[in-house]
Amino acid sequence: AQSVTQLDSQVPVFEEAPVELRCNYSSSVSVYLFWYVQYPNQGLQLLLKYLSGSTLVKGINGFEAEFNKSQTSFHLRKPSVHISDTAEYFCAVTLNSGGYQKVTFGTGTKLQVIP
Amino acid sequence: NAGVTQTPKFRVLKTGQSMTLLCAQDMNHEYMYWYRQDPGMGLRLIHYSVGEGTTAKGEVPDGYNVSRLKKQNFLLGLESAAPSQTSVYFCASSYSLRTGIPTNEKLFFGSGTQLSVL
Repeated sequence: AQSVTQLDSQVPVFEEAPVELRCNYSSSVSVYLFWYVQYPNQGLQLLLKYLSGSTLVKGINGFEAEFNKSQTSFHLRKPSVHISDTAEYFCAVTLNSGGYQKVTFGTGTKLQVIP
Repeated sequence: NAGVTQTPKFRVLKTGQSMTLLCAQDMNHEYMYWYRQDPGMGLRLIHYSVGEGTTAKGEVPDGYNVSRLKKQNFLLGLESAAPSQTSVYFCASSYSLRTGIPTNEKLFFGSGTQLSVL
């Protein structure tokens, strides 16, 4: 079975400060890793994904994430946040299960950017 | 440019009432999903469909039924609503995936339906 843990339910950060949102996963097989962002009253949008290759993945809006296999982590980072980054962020792992895409989401981290 | 469209956006039901949520996608996706989102619990899969005419249970299927009569539509039904079904419901779709092909396709989400059961 696979699971995803997002330890921080809320992360307040001042504008232009750096931020790291943590994600740890557990799986007995290789998985693919995603970060989704949900802006208020909207559905989820893909931020970035890791499939293979370079462990540092760059996404939209200046976000990046690093895959660390030994620590089973996929933390999301941004060097300088903007007010518009205020949203909820979901880490997800996905694997091929019986021919369909089995996706497991974390419980989400609300990023609050303070002016 | 519609993507995934959910209707309605908001609904209030009384306990025991029934209703159907409609999800429509115009991207010719094979796979469609229904999730519910609850505070502190992330998104949980209710039911999914791997193609027209097929459906399967997800993590939390009890109290819900689904149908996929047309490829572009995926309906979620509540036969007898309960307060525990108060939630935000999201529909999603993705490209066809077959065993052996890397599972790297992203999900496309609708904007959600906020359902309150009193």
